[in-house]
Amino acid sequence: EVQLVQSGAEVKEPGESLKISCKGSGNSFTNYWIGWVRQMSGKGLEWVAIIYPSASDIRYSPSFQGRVTISADTSIDTAYLQWSSLQASDTAMYYCARLMAASWGGFEYWGQGTLVTVSS
Amino acid sequence: QSALTQPASVPGSPGQSITISCTGTSSDVGGYNLVSWYQQHPGKAPKLIIYDGSKRPSGVSNRFSGSKSGNTASLTISGLQAEDEADYYCCSFAGSRNLVFGGGTKLTVL
Repeated sequence: EVQLVQSGAEVKEPGESLKISCKGSGNSFTNYWIGWVRQMSGKGLEWVAIIYPSASDIRYSPSFQGRVTISADTSIDTAYLQWSSLQASDTAMYYCARLMAASWGGFEYWGQGTLVTVSS
Repeated sequence: QSALTQPASVPGSPGQSITISCTGTSSDVGGYNLVSWYQQHPGKAPKLIIYDGSKRPSGVSNRFSGSKSGNTASLTISGLQAEDEADYYCCSFAGSRNLVFGGGTKLTVL
């Protein structure tokens, strides 16, 4: 069974750094595109970034380019999303999700979400 | 890239059919058969219900169907049930390994 398990909720202050994770299981990771999606409270889904772990192929949404960094460690089937300096506007739920095999036609599997709260 | 345009809300009655539209441009929806639709219940992660424009993942009810005409994709739900009340989002490939979501539609089953 394919599962994406995300790290737990985080509470940070503005200016702090943060790295959240998404661990895949069940042959779910290395040869698939893994993306991150943001959902601010009461708002819609926004695509943040995507990575093909085995090739370190990366793409960022223009809205998030320069504000976050996506990475992956294929040895432990884990993808990451990190911030070097958080802002209050980064407060949101962040989901990781896996694209379907050989297709950009849909995110087939989703993690449970990681709630990031940035507040002083 | 701008978000795809969806109606903010759609009402429906049990047993009825409803359609949710998702309008983009020739650079995303109109340019590829790579639109997906997601159902999200409150407090839950999104669930894929349509991929590649019109295909259903295993286990998704055949009451859900997808189509496209020009720059507008559509999700139709037939035989509405109370459990279908949720938020629905479309998403399209937008070229150069970019993706774009719609703003979401709240389906209310009255």
